[in-house]
Amino acid sequence: GQQLNQSPQSMFIQEGEDVSMNCTSSSIFNTWLWYKQDPGEGPVLLIALYKAGELTSNGRLTAQFGITRKDSFLNISASIPSDVGIYFCAGRVGGSSNTGKLIFGQGTTLQVKP
Amino acid sequence: KAGVTQTPRYLIKTRGQQVTLSCSPISGHRSVSWYQQTPGQGLQFLFEYFSETQRNKGNFPGRFSGRQFSNSRSEMNVSTLELGDSALYLCASSPFTSTDTQYFGPGTRLTVL
Repeated sequence: GQQLNQSPQSMFIQEGEDVSMNCTSSSIFNTWLWYKQDPGEGPVLLIALYKAGELTSNGRLTAQFGITRKDSFLNISASIPSDVGIYFCAGRVGGSSNTGKLIFGQGTTLQVKP
Repeated sequence: KAGVTQTPRYLIKTRGQQVTLSCSPISGHRSVSWYQQTPGQGLQFLFEYFSETQRNKGNFPGRFSGRQFSNSRSEMNVSTLELGDSALYLCASSPFTSTDTQYFGPGTRLTVL
């Protein structure tokens, strides 16, 4: 079945540093989503990408939908302590852009040292 | 607008029992999806309901079932519980528009002893 490989698994960085994480797959996805999950909470959608090559920003966050439709990356610039959490990528397969099931990466745990 | 609510937040059951989890989507949202989250397997899609009909289903055994009511509230049932069913069960709702914004609830933490 479809699988997403998300890396790195964890990161421990200094406040102010930039962060980069990515997801790859052998399957083609028609949508890529990036979520953040805080302890005890459900995931919150950060960025949604719908077209190959699309580059989208949300504040200090930037994400891109890979040209091959098999990968995506998320960058966080100038990290701050509240960026701590688990970041998930998710790809949507099948159906139109708002149907079809989501497949999630394993998550990247981010820790920021003040 | 109130967010997605899930009840109960925590549940402890023993093997062989069954359990029903409840999810109330954001008012006006018609699509509800369920996910299982475990440290080993991550987030895995269970099923999605829209207008009381199951639209998509993940790769889970038939012990996992769900339904959606006319008010869009959804329930998920797990019968004959196994130790491996211990997980955080997340519900997400979306309005079913051209966007993919799924709003997650806080989850129900199920522990099977």
